[in-house]
Amino acid sequence: DIVMTQSPLSLPVTPGEPAAISCRSSQSLLHSNGNNYVDWFLQKPGQSPQLLIYLGSNRASGVPDRFSGSGSGTDFTLKISRVEAEDVGLYYCMQALKTPLTFGGGTKVEIK
Amino acid sequence: EVQLVESGGGLVQPGRSLRLSCAASGFTYDDYAMHWVRQGPGKGLEWVSGINWNSGSIGYADSVKGRFTISRDNAKNSLYLQMNSLRPEDTALYYCTKGVRRSGSGWGYFMDVWGQGTTVTVSS
Repeated sequence: DIVMTQSPLSLPVTPGEPAAISCRSSQSLLHSNGNNYVDWFLQKPGQSPQLLIYLGSNRASGVPDRFSGSGSGTDFTLKISRVEAEDVGLYYCMQALKTPLTFGGGTKVEIK
Repeated sequence: EVQLVESGGGLVQPGRSLRLSCAASGFTYDDYAMHWVRQGPGKGLEWVSGINWNSGSIGYADSVKGRFTISRDNAKNSLYLQMNSLRPEDTALYYCTKGVRRSGSGWGYFMDVWGQGTTVTVSS
């Protein structure tokens, strides 16, 4: 199975400042079609997860443009250009290249 | 409005069975892959199982393979998860999620709609 490793586990952030979360996979997630099969989710406190980024770098509908995804192969990053208070919660990466699909352990983003 | 509503959770003894259902509305259900994702108490997300639009591709987590069976009824806009031989470690909130539209490039990505979940507790 593909193992997804996120860092850091916890990320205290200051509103208005940038933030970045790293996700590393145990195998390349780059498909022959040129897509990287990694998605990013945010689970706000008390809510169901929501899709932020799909196929490595594509923002889902309604996601603010302060969120961006990058990377290729085995190393991926989710960036928030300017953190807002509503961005607190648990962030997960997930590989969708092979079953079983696997999630990273999560990164807790909180306001300093 | 696109909506997923899970049901069927509850308290069950180890070794017993339970069947979860997910009612979908607001989209052309038979065009989309569907998944079950669970979250144990205080834990992260774990993909349980997924099925593509026509049931031609199905996958399971190693932890449930041989015990759980996913299925869908496109005529009823419904997704199911038959859970047998339940264990205490299966205790979790089970989410139904809508996946990608029928695609020739994989079916596991783009879980863009999630239900509120149904709670399964396995305990004697």
